[in-house]
Amino acid sequence: EAQVTQNPRYLITVTGKKLTVTCSQNMNHEYMSWYRQDPGLGLRQIYYSMNVEVTDKGDVPEGYKVSRKEKRNFPLILESPSPNQTSLYFCASSPTRAGGQSPVGYFGPGTRLTVT
Amino acid sequence: GQQVMQIPQYQHVQEGEDFTTYCNSSTTLSNIQWYKQRPGGHPVFLIQLVKSGEVKKQKRLTFQFGEAKKNSSLHITATQTTDVGTYFCAGLASGTYKYIFGTGTRLKVLA
Repeated sequence: EAQVTQNPRYLITVTGKKLTVTCSQNMNHEYMSWYRQDPGLGLRQIYYSMNVEVTDKGDVPEGYKVSRKEKRNFPLILESPSPNQTSLYFCASSPTRAGGQSPVGYFGPGTRLTVT
Repeated sequence: GQQVMQIPQYQHVQEGEDFTTYCNSSTTLSNIQWYKQRPGGHPVFLIQLVKSGEVKKQKRLTFQFGEAKKNSSLHITATQTTDVGTYFCAGLASGTYKYIFGTGTRLKVLA
């Protein structure tokens, strides 16, 4: 079954304690990205990756890191989480075609993070 | 910066009424995608529009992409309770690989 998986699904942590949210897709997609969803603000892109070892900042990258060492995995790293990073996080993947048009975005189930 | 505005923010309709949500971008888009997110769920892809003036239909849903590729709309005819959720547009800004999402329209359908 084609899917994007995220772990953990729920996480409560304290300020400053490094954490990693994993994301994996089994569709051999080139494009992967991370979003955060906050009430009234919709989905905002944090980072994206066009392919292995190719990453770039989205609209809200501050306080986050990513890596793309394998095509299927795209972890999101919070080196020193702060309360303003409390949010619902989604990973997504899609194939890319010539011209960079990504026809479909498959979203993971989401990770609800609370930083106290 | 690039923005995609989506209106209305909320919409309550009686079952059987029509519903429309609009997206307007501050910049030209390469394509626009529409997603539906059920309460407690994740966004699910509905459709992608690429061409200027493009219109696509999926059963009771009609999607349009503006001539200038800066605006789009989703129209649902004769809403049903299964249409409940938040509808997002997501635009790919021309010359970039960054998707900008609209803030979403939350639809409630009253039986």
